[in-house]
Amino acid sequence: KTQVEQSPQSLVVRQGENCVLQCNYSVTPDNHLRWFKQDTGKGLVSLTVLVDQKDKTSNGRYSATLDKDAKHSTLHITATLLDDTATYICVVGDRGSALGRLHFGAGTQLIVIP
Amino acid sequence: EAAVTQSPRNKVTVTGGNVTLSCRQTNSHNYMYWYRQDTGHGLRLIHYSYGAGNLQIGDVPDGYKATRTTQEDFFLLLELASPSQTSLYFCASSDAGGASQNTLYFGAGTRLSVL
Repeated sequence: KTQVEQSPQSLVVRQGENCVLQCNYSVTPDNHLRWFKQDTGKGLVSLTVLVDQKDKTSNGRYSATLDKDAKHSTLHITATLLDDTATYICVVGDRGSALGRLHFGAGTQLIVIP
Repeated sequence: EAAVTQSPRNKVTVTGGNVTLSCRQTNSHNYMYWYRQDTGHGLRLIHYSYGAGNLQIGDVPDGYKATRTTQEDFFLLLELASPSQTSLYFCASSDAGGASQNTLYFGAGTRLSVL
């Protein structure tokens, strides 16, 4: 059973618009949550890590929230650029130690059009 | 900047063929991982290692072997490739374990097609 669900599966926005990507998970325990960006044909690049029970991070035009009570995270992208076109992957870590595992979502494909 | 280099970038083989995927990291990281990525699925862990000579089984190990020859080099071996192993393979490295808060660095991927 998939433990990390991302929505929407794909999203098309116009350059300059804002968008929100969702991540719901059932991983227990949930130590931390990461968001990655994957350009087509490339590896994953880390955007942010959320750790606290209710956490917020900001990295330029990217901002993210985590609510561990709801097991839910969002990734906000403001003023989208064409270069934001990519797949965004939500990953939940079940421990803060080397014994833990990472649980990957299938990703949201974002397409930014002119 | 941390670097993880995979080779080859693309590989085509036939059913029953023998394939070796290579990964080298220059980050001095202890942990290295092999994942496969398939459409509609999240990345799935095949094997990982926390040092030279060490090997740990991941979540989808069947049909794969791996070997960590040095701290820098981690290889994924498909000795009898099957079409179900057609996938995009990623190598990654991390300083203190993939489930810690430390950054995970990924290679660019190897696209393998088994005909």
